[in-house]
Amino acid sequence: QVQLQESGPGLVKPSGTLSLTCTVSGGSISSYYWSWIRQPPGKGLEWIGDIYYSGSTNYNPSLKSRVTISVDTSKNQFSLKLTSVTAADTAVYYCARFGGFTYGNVPLYYFDYWGQGTLVTVSS
Amino acid sequence: DIQMTQSPSSLSASVGDRVTITCRASQSLSRYLNWYQQTPGKAPKLLIYAVSTLQSGVPSRFSGSGSGTDFTLTISSLQPEDFATYYCQQSYSTPRTFGQGTKVEIK
Repeated sequence: QVQLQESGPGLVKPSGTLSLTCTVSGGSISSYYWSWIRQPPGKGLEWIGDIYYSGSTNYNPSLKSRVTISVDTSKNQFSLKLTSVTAADTAVYYCARFGGFTYGNVPLYYFDYWGQGTLVTVSS
Repeated sequence: DIQMTQSPSSLSASVGDRVTITCRASQSLSRYLNWYQQTPGKAPKLLIYAVSTLQSGVPSRFSGSGSGTDFTLTISSLQPEDFATYYCQQSYSTPRTFGQGTKVEIK
């Protein structure tokens, strides 16, 4: 059973950098895309971006200028850095696997495994 | 970006009720539409992928249908553990977008 666990500071100062790591256990990170998704308190889900084990990335254009996602296959981890944070970046941050399969020539992908989430508060 | 719009935003229902949630996309998604359930304080859980395929372990009272831009999640007989927020999500293109959520509350 694949499990994901987020780790990192729960409090970040405004204008600082939010840094989180997701550790994958029960399976190899060397396949699929691996994603970061966030949820501000009381609000909906926002996809931040994802990374393939090879290092190929996709980012949400709304955050692209501030986001970097990286992967360390030797540690079965991937990480998120979000710069120049403000109070609007306060949210529960989830890591997730964008898994699935190809049916015929149709790629069917979805977020099938999630971490428990970690609350990051931006405040001085 | 593909915009995902769910309706209603919230609903009240009783145990045993049939519940239907609608998700509309701003462009055609073919079969690239997934549904998730989130209970308070928990991560979302995959319920249905590719419009209508139940994820392993998901009760058969959940079903999905639709095509193109209009999709539906149906709970045939609402159970106490189904009171939660439900999200649709498109995997047709990046950015991977979610609907705003539908909160199912106890009447």
